[in-house]
Amino acid sequence: ETGVTQSPTHLIKTRGQQVTLRCSSQSGHNTVSWYQQALGQGPQFIFQYYREEENGRGNFPPRFSGLQFPNYSSELNVNALELDDSALYLCASSSGTSGGPVRQYFGPGTRLLVL
Amino acid sequence: AQSVTQLGSHVSVSEGALVLLRCNYSSSVPPYLFWYVQYPNQGLQLLLKYTTGATLVKGINGFEAEFKKSETSFHLTKPSAHMSDAAEYFCAVTSSGTYKYIFGTGTRLKVLA
Repeated sequence: ETGVTQSPTHLIKTRGQQVTLRCSSQSGHNTVSWYQQALGQGPQFIFQYYREEENGRGNFPPRFSGLQFPNYSSELNVNALELDDSALYLCASSSGTSGGPVRQYFGPGTRLLVL
Repeated sequence: AQSVTQLGSHVSVSEGALVLLRCNYSSSVPPYLFWYVQYPNQGLQLLLKYTTGATLVKGINGFEAEFKKSETSFHLTKPSAHMSDAAEYFCAVTSSGTYKYIFGTGTRLKVLA
């Protein structure tokens, strides 16, 4: 079991609403990455934060945004929710920025349902 | 660009039989390869990873994988399946200097009694 926690575990929203998901990274880690895992699919990279700055972004629209705090915890915000945003959102923490051999530790995820 | 293809979205094996889950990758730079397991309603757990060096990598729970550059493959094996191995397995690729992992679509392993 990793030291990465996410809240809430489940969430139901309606189309057009906004949502904030939270992630507490493992002790000593300064990098947080967010992934979206749609049903039956593999995780897709949303973005990564390193020392409170966005360090890279996948193919997601600007209504997906994030924050990282001085304690390295992180938030994922999604505005104007669409039905296709329904997914499991995973956060992963690591130490350093390079994707190289650095191991990412995944949290249990937040399952979002948009109605 | 990098990509991962997992052949077989569902694989069934009998308890005690060999497990073979297939992963092929595409990468224009030396890849780092990973296998993760996901149990229902849980996050991803690292099984094993290949970075450099020995091409046969041993992981947790008796799993191993072999990096074959000539075949661009990184198949996951386990000699004898156990009921507790039933889960979804994901292959992922990244490389030095990048910040994201590219995951395959996953293979759901079912173990029959």
